[in-house]
Amino acid sequence: EVQLVESGGGLVQPGGSLRLSCAASGFTFSSYWMTWVRQAPGKGLEWVANINLDGSEKNYVDSVKGRFTISRDNAKNSLYLQMNSLRDEDTAVYYCARGGRMETWGRGTMVTVSS
Amino acid sequence: DIQMTQSPSAMSASVGDRVTITCRASQGISNYLAWFQQKPGKVPKRLIYAASSLQSGVPSRFSGSGSGTEFTLTISSLQPEDFATYYCLQHNSYPFTFGPGTKVDIK
Repeated sequence: EVQLVESGGGLVQPGGSLRLSCAASGFTFSSYWMTWVRQAPGKGLEWVANINLDGSEKNYVDSVKGRFTISRDNAKNSLYLQMNSLRDEDTAVYYCARGGRMETWGRGTMVTVSS
Repeated sequence: DIQMTQSPSAMSASVGDRVTITCRASQGISNYLAWFQQKPGKVPKRLIYAASSLQSGVPSRFSGSGSGTEFTLTISSLQPEDFATYYCLQHNSYPFTFGPGTKVDIK
């Protein structure tokens, strides 16, 4: 069974940093692009970033470019999102999803940016 | 960036109704479109990919059509478990963008 389990969310002050992780199991992780999507409270879905099979290609939404970094460790079947210079508007549930077209999603981890 | 719009933004429908949701892209995206369903407090679930291909395990009452800039998601006979918010997604060019969502609730 395909499983994606996010972790690392929490409360952080504006300007702070967090590193999200997504542990994958039940499939050959190194054979799939991976994606981060977020959803602010009561709002719609926003695509954040994706990464190719070996991590050599990364794409980001403009609002996080230069602040967020997506990465992966295929040996550990894990996806990461390093988030720096966090802003109030980054408050959201962050989901990791398998594939560039997001066919399977994890349950998400909540990130709250507030002073 | 490609902007995605959906209509209606919300609708009330009854069990058994035929429901159609429209998604429009600000420029042509071929068939690089997917539809997702999200129930309150739950994780989004992909229903349709490549504009018209049904995700494995999704009931056949769901169907998708369209190409270019206009797309539709149709539920042929609405069931109680289908009350949810539906989002389209374009993955033709970066940044990928979701539509604002269509909330389908009970009349």
